[in-house]
Amino acid sequence: GAVVSQHPSRVICKSGTSVKIECRSLDFQATTMFWYRQFPKQSLMLMATSNEGSKATYEQGVEKDKFLINHASLTLSTLTVTSAHPEDSSFYICSAKGDRGTHRQPQHFGDGTRLSIL
Amino acid sequence: QQQVKQSPQSLIVQKGGISIINCAYENTAFDYFPWYQQFPGKGPALLIAIRPDVSEKKEGRFTISFNKSAKQFSLHIMDSQPGDSATYFCAASRGSTLGRLYFGRGTQLTVWP
Repeated sequence: GAVVSQHPSRVICKSGTSVKIECRSLDFQATTMFWYRQFPKQSLMLMATSNEGSKATYEQGVEKDKFLINHASLTLSTLTVTSAHPEDSSFYICSAKGDRGTHRQPQHFGDGTRLSIL
Repeated sequence: QQQVKQSPQSLIVQKGGISIINCAYENTAFDYFPWYQQFPGKGPALLIAIRPDVSEKKEGRFTISFNKSAKQFSLHIMDSQPGDSATYFCAASRGSTLGRLYFGRGTQLTVWP
């Protein structure tokens, strides 16, 4: 089945540090990738949608200068949390959807990145 | 505004029993309804999905029932096993939004041995 690899799985760093999270589709070309944030015992909150070669679309309330998204190729998207602070600590999850055309292509999720800012 | 409403929030079932999770939506433009299973510390994994032109879909012990007129769909897990203990999310998407998923709040299922 389709595999999405997310790296790193866990990051612990000091306040003020910028952190980059990578999301790769390993066996399919992902025209669209999504970035989510999930708090404990809560649902997934969509942060942004990125399409290869174009600027990401951010959800209302998500700071685009804080959460930089790059989708430079059909297999890689990155999320950079700039100048991270303790309130940015969370579980970040990416997903990827392959094939152009129908939206009913399933989204496949990475295993998430646990970000802890001290 | 929660576009997909999911219940119950938590569910405890005896091993071998049937687990039932319900979801409801308002937007009739939704035309794809997947269910995801998530274990602690992991990303969600696609379990099963249905389109509105089908009233039921079964894959192994998992069945989706879909009621288009009531705008409701549900997941049934037959012969529930302790290994099924996880959080389940229903979701919906529509063609105009590049596959963006609208998730329910999730149901934490615990299956007792």
